[in-house]
Amino acid sequence: KAGVTQTPRYLIKTRGQQVTLSCSPISGHRSVSWYQQTPGQGLQFLFEYFSETQRNKGNFPGRFSGRQFSNSRSEMNVSTLELGDSALYLCASSFGSANEKLFFGSGTQLSVL
Amino acid sequence: EDKVVQSPLSLVVHEGDTVTLNCSYEVTNFRSLLWYKQEKKAPTFLFMLTSSGIEKKSGRLSSILDKKELFSILNITATQTGDSAVYLCAVDPGFQKLVFGTGTRLLVSP
Repeated sequence: KAGVTQTPRYLIKTRGQQVTLSCSPISGHRSVSWYQQTPGQGLQFLFEYFSETQRNKGNFPGRFSGRQFSNSRSEMNVSTLELGDSALYLCASSFGSANEKLFFGSGTQLSVL
Repeated sequence: EDKVVQSPLSLVVHEGDTVTLNCSYEVTNFRSLLWYKQEKKAPTFLFMLTSSGIEKKSGRLSSILDKKELFSILNITATQTGDSAVYLCAVDPGFQKLVFGTGTRLLVSP
């Protein structure tokens, strides 16, 4: 079956713009979580959605937001982009229960100029 | 604050060598520890450990968890160039909110 699909693969934006990233989970998975990966900080948790509800949120400013649709697809939005937002944004999906491995997509590489 | 520390940060070995990667953690609520391999972009799952002392094995890779001392190790025997990657350790304190270490970059030279 198809894996986690993220679009677009690459994005170049300028400071002050906003961006929307998309994630389609593995069929049947109802949980989608988002992570930011930078060389200095590693992977950091942004938020997790389950059945269209945000269940958990990391320590990121309010410029980072997300949502999940009834088909479990998720979008992440970053407004008023800053240079420091340049990163690989990874999405992961699972069935949403405890002690469960996450399946990751290939990410969206965002460059902010 | 939950924290995961991996060592070494990077490692260069020759094909055929055996390597041991380390992961220590401090979390308020422990559910499981996971190892992932990241070659290009998408981290791929290797192991999930929930109980101390039980070694997980998959081919040349194995991992064990010590919940008393709060660490895990990942062993790779008879390394191959295809093992070159970043190895990520993560702890799950609940609700799919994984706390990752910064990873160990392994380079296996032919």
